[in-house]
Amino acid sequence: AQRVTQPEKLLSVFKGAPVELKCNYSYSGSPELFWYVQYSRQRLQLLLRHISRESIKGFTADLNKGETSFHLKKPFAQEEDSAMYYCALRGQTQGGSEKLVFGKGMKLTVNP
Amino acid sequence: NAGVTQTPKFQVLKTGQSMTLQCAQDMNHEYMSWYRQDPGMGLRLIHYSVGAGITDQGEVPNGYNVSRSTTEDFPLRLLSAAPSQTSVYFCASSYSSGGGGGYTFGSGTRLTVV
Repeated sequence: AQRVTQPEKLLSVFKGAPVELKCNYSYSGSPELFWYVQYSRQRLQLLLRHISRESIKGFTADLNKGETSFHLKKPFAQEEDSAMYYCALRGQTQGGSEKLVFGKGMKLTVNP
Repeated sequence: NAGVTQTPKFQVLKTGQSMTLQCAQDMNHEYMSWYRQDPGMGLRLIHYSVGAGITDQGEVPNGYNVSRSTTEDFPLRLLSAAPSQTSVYFCASSYSSGGGGGYTFGSGTRLTVV
């Protein structure tokens, strides 16, 4: 099975607070995971991917194979971080091609 | 370099009407795909293409057709629109189907079927 679970639909924090957006996955192969972000009424855009081990806009995410998780973290949230966040897994279609499997998304609201 | 261009941005259809959502990319990406985005459902794959002349079904293909006659274009056709197809549609492209380099998304088409 290939599945991405984002257990929380909504998260509301105050500016400067730490945030953690949870993502768990199910995949029988070697996982490759991504976080995408969608600001209000805009297109989705890649935020970061685990293979790059990068920090983008202060966000980091570590792949934990033991817990099958890829949580997105930021120590100090900013108002401009308010957006929908999608966790995605590189999986396979029935036809054998690869595809991105998305979680259902989580809305982060950062209040002033 | 425009990236992925989707037209129209908004559309209202009556039940039973047909229409084509356009998607074009200028990055010479082999892989293109269509997703629909519904509240609480995330993004679901409708159809995808790994290259010109090759298309395949995703998770929710019923009621939609696609073709890929060129590398650049990947139109999505609604054959007979139904209210259940009210959604936001995103086209995405990538160098490879697994999105190792990241998918580039279009700005979306907001479709309402009445």
